[in-house]
Amino acid sequence: ELKVEQNPLFLSMQEGKNYTIYCNYSTTSDRLYWYRQDPGKSLESLFVLLSNGAVKQEGRLMASLDTKARLSTLHITAAVHDLSATYFCAVDISNTGNQFYFGTGTSLTVIP
Amino acid sequence: DSGVTQTPKHLITATGQRVTLRCSPRSGDLSVYWYQQSLDQGLQFLIHYYNGEERAKGNILERFSAQQFPDLHSELNLSSLELGDSALYFCASARGGGSNQPQHFGDGTRLSIL
Repeated sequence: ELKVEQNPLFLSMQEGKNYTIYCNYSTTSDRLYWYRQDPGKSLESLFVLLSNGAVKQEGRLMASLDTKARLSTLHITAAVHDLSATYFCAVDISNTGNQFYFGTGTSLTVIP
Repeated sequence: DSGVTQTPKHLITATGQRVTLRCSPRSGDLSVYWYQQSLDQGLQFLIHYYNGEERAKGNILERFSAQQFPDLHSELNLSSLELGDSALYFCASARGGGSNQPQHFGDGTRLSIL
C-alpha cells in the first residue's frame, strides 16, 4: 500500500525562524507536488517537482525532491504570520494521467 | 478567484440518495480533477479527465461516477449515499494533461449526509 507521510503533523513556530517540513513516500515516483490550504478554504498549488534534485523557490518557501531517498522537503525561511496554513504534499504515480496520493498535511502556525 | 466554479456550494441530503456535483474549469483548461476531503480519510484523489477522456482513477468508489462533457465541464455523481460520504469535494483544472501543470482549485462543495 502506498504511503505518503508528512512530519511534523503540527508545527508552531515563531516569526523569523526557519523550519522544514518533510514528506516521505513509499513508492517510486519522480513527481511530487506541494499545496497550501488556509482554514476553511480551498487548496492552492505551490510547487511542482518533476525530477530528482529539483528545487523550486517562491518567496520564503523552498521545496526540493530527492527521488532516491523518496523524500521531499518544504523549507520555510524567516517565517511570517501569513504562512500559517496547512501544507500538503502529494505523489503522482500514474503514467497516463495524474493519480495523486496525499500526505496527511502539516498544520503550521506562525506566532508573532 | 481561481476561475474554477463549483456548484452547489453546500448540499444536504439523506442516506441512499443520489447527488450531482458540477465543476466548470478555467477558460482554456482541458484537465479536470476531483478530490474528496474528510476528517476520516484526509485528502483523496478521485479521478482525472483530460479533454473528455478519463486519464486516471484514484480511490473512487463504485457508487461514484464522473464524466467530462464536450464543453469541458465535469460532473461527479454520487449514489446510494452513506454517512461516510459526508465530505468536502473539490475539483481542480489544469491547462494540459501532463504532470508539469499546476492545478487551480474550486472552492469546493460541502456534502452533508443526514
